[in-house]
Order: sequence, then C-alpha cells, then structure tokens
Amino acid sequence: DAGVIQSPRHEVTEMGQEVTLRCKPISGHDYLFWYRQTMMRGLELLIYFNNNVPIDDSGMPEDRFSAKMPNASFSTLKIQPSEPRDSAVYFCASNIAARDSGNTIYFGEGSWLTVV
Amino acid sequence: AQKITQTQPGMFVQEKEAVTLDCTYDTSDPSYGLFWYKQPSSGEMIFLIYQGSYDQQNATEGRYSLNFQKARKSANLVISASQLGDSAMYFCAMREVRSYIPTFGRGTSLIVHP
Repeated sequence: DAGVIQSPRHEVTEMGQEVTLRCKPISGHDYLFWYRQTMMRGLELLIYFNNNVPIDDSGMPEDRFSAKMPNASFSTLKIQPSEPRDSAVYFCASNIAARDSGNTIYFGEGSWLTVV
Repeated sequence: AQKITQTQPGMFVQEKEAVTLDCTYDTSDPSYGLFWYKQPSSGEMIFLIYQGSYDQQNATEGRYSLNFQKARKSANLVISASQLGDSAMYFCAMREVRSYIPTFGRGTSLIVHP
C-alpha cells in the first residue's frame, strides 16, 4: 500500500511568496495531521482533520498559515506570504482510529521548506 | 506543560550492544497510547513500536522493545544488538484518547559506533 505522499519534497522560495504544500493520506485513514519540525521547537502540531473537518488549528502560528482538506484523499497547507522563519520541515501524517493496529500514525517523507 | 520528556539529548552505543532511550510522560487520562519513532538523517519518520495504556505486556517488535512502567509513567525504548543503521533521532510520543492529539518529545540522538 502507498504511504502518506507529500509534495514537494523540497521547496526554496523567496520571502513574500506563497507556498503550498500538498498531502495525500493513506486511503481509508480518517485523521490527518500537519506538523512542523524545527531545531528550536521540535515537532509541533499545526492542525488536524477528522473526516475532512478541521478539528483543532490552535497550533497554526498565525493568519499567514491556512490548511484545507477538500476531500478524503487530499490536503493542503498554505503559507502566504512566506517568511524566513517559516523555514522548516513540514510533515503530513494520517491515521485511522477504528482499529487497534490503526493507532499507528503514519508520516509522509516531509516537505523541506527554505524561505530566503 | 510538557507531556513527553526525553532527558537524553544524545546517546552513544557500541555496535551489537543494547541501549535504552528514556521517555517519561504526563497524563491524567487513563486511556492513552505511547509510540516511538525513528528519524534517520534522510528525514522520514519511521514508526517503531506502540504500547497501549491497558496492555498488560510490554510491546516488542524485532530488536525493539518498550519497557512500560505505568506507575512511573515511563516508556523507555530498548534496542537490542545495536546496528550502525540505528544511528538516528528517536522520538517518543503519546496520544490521549480524550484529546486524540499526538504529542512528541524533543527526541534523543543515538549514535552507534563500530
């Protein structure tokens, strides 16, 4: 089975530009998480969805960040306008809550964002 | 309040020896799950092992075992017979059933040397 798929893997952009990160969760998973990883702050949960509905976005740093999940197989995290301090690895992860084995949260390979 | 604490920023172990990575957690939820992930230098997060709060036995997955001490709120990862490929960051995480939000520790960097 395909895992969580993220794109792009690497993105270098100039300050002020819009950045869109994409995620395809594992088919059948009903939870989707967006994390940000930096050396200073570690892994931070930005937002998570359940059945395509945003449940908790308290981790979104500011209004420049937005996330959508228009359907069960696709989610985006958008930063507009981007700033150098947004440079980080952004992970998407998914999970199914219905089964014991689904307690595992599966991560994508991450999107490495550099804002210059 | 920090819910997951990994007190060892870095650990060194010789190849073929066992190593224990510490993790303590804080929760008042009686139902929760504990996870360990490995992050090699390539960056991906690899699931290693899971322990449920009601599981009676310690979880094991190949060379990985989780030393679960519920009363002490401790969930240490034990890697037996370390291999050079085990060199990576290791993250402990917890998810409480009531909130469902997975919380991660700051990680422990493990270096396995020949």
